[in-house]
Amino acid sequence: DADVTQTPRNRITKTGKRIMLECSQTKGHDRMYWYRQDPGLGLRLIYYSFDVKDINKGEISDGYSVSRQAQAKFSLSLESAIPNQTALYFCATSADGQHLHFGNGTRLTVT
Amino acid sequence: RKEVEQDPGPFNVPEGATVAFNCTYSNSASQSFFWYRQDCRKEPKLLMSVYSSGNEDGRFTAQLNRASQYISLLIRDSKLSDSATYLCVVKVDRSGGSYIPTFGRGTSLIVHP
Repeated sequence: DADVTQTPRNRITKTGKRIMLECSQTKGHDRMYWYRQDPGLGLRLIYYSFDVKDINKGEISDGYSVSRQAQAKFSLSLESAIPNQTALYFCATSADGQHLHFGNGTRLTVT
Repeated sequence: RKEVEQDPGPFNVPEGATVAFNCTYSNSASQSFFWYRQDCRKEPKLLMSVYSSGNEDGRFTAQLNRASQYISLLIRDSKLSDSATYLCVVKVDRSGGSYIPTFGRGTSLIVHP
């Protein structure tokens, strides 16, 4: 079983819809991150959390929100999806802010 | 200027070649430096940490040059299986002492027979 699990793996949605991407981990790490990856742009940080109830904006947080319901869960929401949010989304965890452990990614398409 | 810059490549090399990638970072206060490897459509995975003293792991050697603000990755005796995208990661101060892993765009390596 994967230590960092993202659901769904793939999602196609329409413009204006609200969607949620889930991330859960069994590694016991306090730090969790959401990144998006676009071709040619690398991974860009959306939000991060160092503990339950700790939420911090990353470099591209507009149009996104997150929830850290428990140490093991960190959800990313798109309140009203738009086509330029089409991307590959990765959740990652870290014990000490050094090494990142990634989930398998969620491929989101907004039509 | 992007905080972490890499040449996207692709670097196209024959098996057995030696290839080197550089990555520059803009914030001199950056802490902790890493190379990650990402296969096509897969998640990034840690390849190695990077230290000023240099570190080696088999055919891979990483080096940090703080004065010039760059890190390097050297791959000797390239294998077909080394074909991937190599991501440079630097921990950058986001807000008041919170150092966050920040990625370069990645360098694509293609090793051919």
